[in-house]
This record gives sequence, structure tokens and C-alpha cells, in this order.
Amino acid sequence: DQQVKQNSPSLSVQEGRISILNCDYTNSMFDYFLWYKKYPAEGPTFLISISSIKDKNEDGRFTVFLNKSAKHLSLHIVPSQPGDSAVYFCAAKRDDKIIFGKGTRLHILP
Amino acid sequence: GAGVSQTPSNKVTEKGKYVELRCDPISGHTALYWYRQSLGQGPEFLIYFQGTGAADDSGLPNDRFFAVRPEGSVSTLKIQRTERGDSAVYLCASSPGGLDIQYFGAGTRLSVL
Repeated sequence: DQQVKQNSPSLSVQEGRISILNCDYTNSMFDYFLWYKKYPAEGPTFLISISSIKDKNEDGRFTVFLNKSAKHLSLHIVPSQPGDSAVYFCAAKRDDKIIFGKGTRLHILP
Repeated sequence: GAGVSQTPSNKVTEKGKYVELRCDPISGHTALYWYRQSLGQGPEFLIYFQGTGAADDSGLPNDRFFAVRPEGSVSTLKIQRTERGDSAVYLCASSPGGLDIQYFGAGTRLSVL
């Protein structure tokens, strides 16, 4: 039973436009949410996080939104750049464990 | 090096053999994690060390899997009697403390033939 779900396996976005990656979760006990980015043949790299007591966190071109009532979070990247092409993992933390989604492959089109 | 180092980067073995996968965490990081990533899936938690002790090993799939971290730094993931279903990328991550952001290595790709 997947506790963190990323329902879009892939997403294509024009360079310069906004990329929106979505994530749903089922466990209301998660207290922290993270986004990781992964290039081929590399390990996941931390991108941005948000505490469950907040609804928005912004870092440069990256913003994460959290809707606790809907158990939904999203990552916005604006403007999208070619180097943003990667697999993005949504993850949720409770105690010492991080639970990852299956990932969404983002393609930034020239 | 500055990051998490995992060796080997690739390991090919035969069904039934024993394998060891090594992880060198970032210097000074007390927490160390092992994950397994199968094709098309996200990383799946296996085990978490705080210092030398396994604080949580609930993700180990069965007793063929074992991990150690004898001196609180380098860790070894050991898999006995490997099966084809063990084929995956095994990722290691470390953090300064158990609640901090985790920094991942590039992983070991294990192929069991």
C-alpha cells in the first residue's frame, strides 16, 4: 500500500514555463515533506522541504505547497530550465523513516 | 571525498552467491541509511543506523539481508544466498543527525543472474 503517490510518471514542459509536479499521501502522521531530484547514474539530491505546520516554502525558482486537508503537495519550478530535466521524488518523513514516491520524470523541452 | 561513496558501483553475481556492498558516509555524519530502488520505483527504506547501532531495521525484507556499521562510520550491507529478485540499485545516505536532510551516494547496481 503506497503511502506516497506520484500519479504522473512523466511530464513535459516548455523551457521558461512553469513545471508543476504533484504528490499525494495517505498517512496524516507525516511531519515533514521533501522533494529530491535525481539524474541518471547519480543518487537523489535534496531539493526543498516543508514542515507539516506550513503551507508554503520557497527557495529561488522552487516552491513547495502543502495542502494538509487534501493530503496533497506540489512542487512548482519557474521558470523551467534545461538542467531541470530529471526524475523528481516526493518523500514524506515520520520519525526516522523517509517514504518515497515512485517519481515523476520531468522533460524540459527547448 | 566530500560526498557519500558507495562501492562497487556495479556488481554482477550468480543466484545463490553472497555479496557485500560498502558505504562510506560523509565524515562526521552519525546517521546512515540503506535503501533499495527497483526499476520504476522510488527508494525503499531498508535500515537506519545511529552511530554503531541499528536504530531501525524494519525495512530489511528477510533474514538474508544484514547490515553492520562496527565503528560508526563505514557500513556494509550483506546479502546471503542472493535471488534474482534482489537485483536493484542499493542506495546509501547519511545525515549529521537522525532528523536532518539525507545525502545520498550514487548507489550500487546489483544484478543477480
